[in-house]
Amino acid sequence: GDSVTQTEGLVTLTKGLPVMLNCTYQTTYSPFLFWYVQHLNEAPKLLLKSSTDNKRTEHQGFYATLHKSSSSFHLQKSSVQLSDSALYFCALSPRTNTGKLTFGDGTVLTVKP
Amino acid sequence: EAAVTQSPRSKVAVTGGKVTLSCHQTNNHDYMYWYRQDTGHGLRLIHYSYVADSTEKGDIPDGYKASRPSQENFSLILELASLSQTAVYFCASSRQGDSQNTLYFGAGTRLSVL
Repeated sequence: GDSVTQTEGLVTLTKGLPVMLNCTYQTTYSPFLFWYVQHLNEAPKLLLKSSTDNKRTEHQGFYATLHKSSSSFHLQKSSVQLSDSALYFCALSPRTNTGKLTFGDGTVLTVKP
Repeated sequence: EAAVTQSPRSKVAVTGGKVTLSCHQTNNHDYMYWYRQDTGHGLRLIHYSYVADSTEKGDIPDGYKASRPSQENFSLILELASLSQTAVYFCASSRQGDSQNTLYFGAGTRLSVL
């Protein structure tokens, strides 16, 4: 079946530094990839999504590029802020209209002053 | 603004008791979902529904039932709650025909089974 792997469980950075959160996936279908962000005691919200190979997608200073050749969709930001502290999920959906996402285990990003 | 509202926000239940978690959406979405989140793990799909009066099993349906009496409402039912069902539960909705499958989540229900 489908799977998503996020290798870092916890990332701690100082404000202003760059960050990359890793996401790799396995599926036999043509995938949609998503990044969801969940701030403390809030609902998960969509941050980014893509189904286009080798095209960078950006939102709120975060960006990611889907690379089908390496089955990756890493999330990056050039300069993290305190407000970026949150739980980040990578998720995969086959290109069907079901909304049945497969989520990774998540990465907690903590940004320190 | 469109929204997904879950109730209760937290609940303590006894082992063997019945628990009902409720979800109401004003997104006018056809698709609704129940996900479970455990500490250190991602979200896992329990049940979902494409239309009122119909539900489908997700990846981890054992021990759970679902009910979709209307487009707006979707309930998750634990007939005999167990310790292993202690988790945070999220309801979500998505738009029919949205091939990019964006989910809109509620704020979650924290369930503790003692």
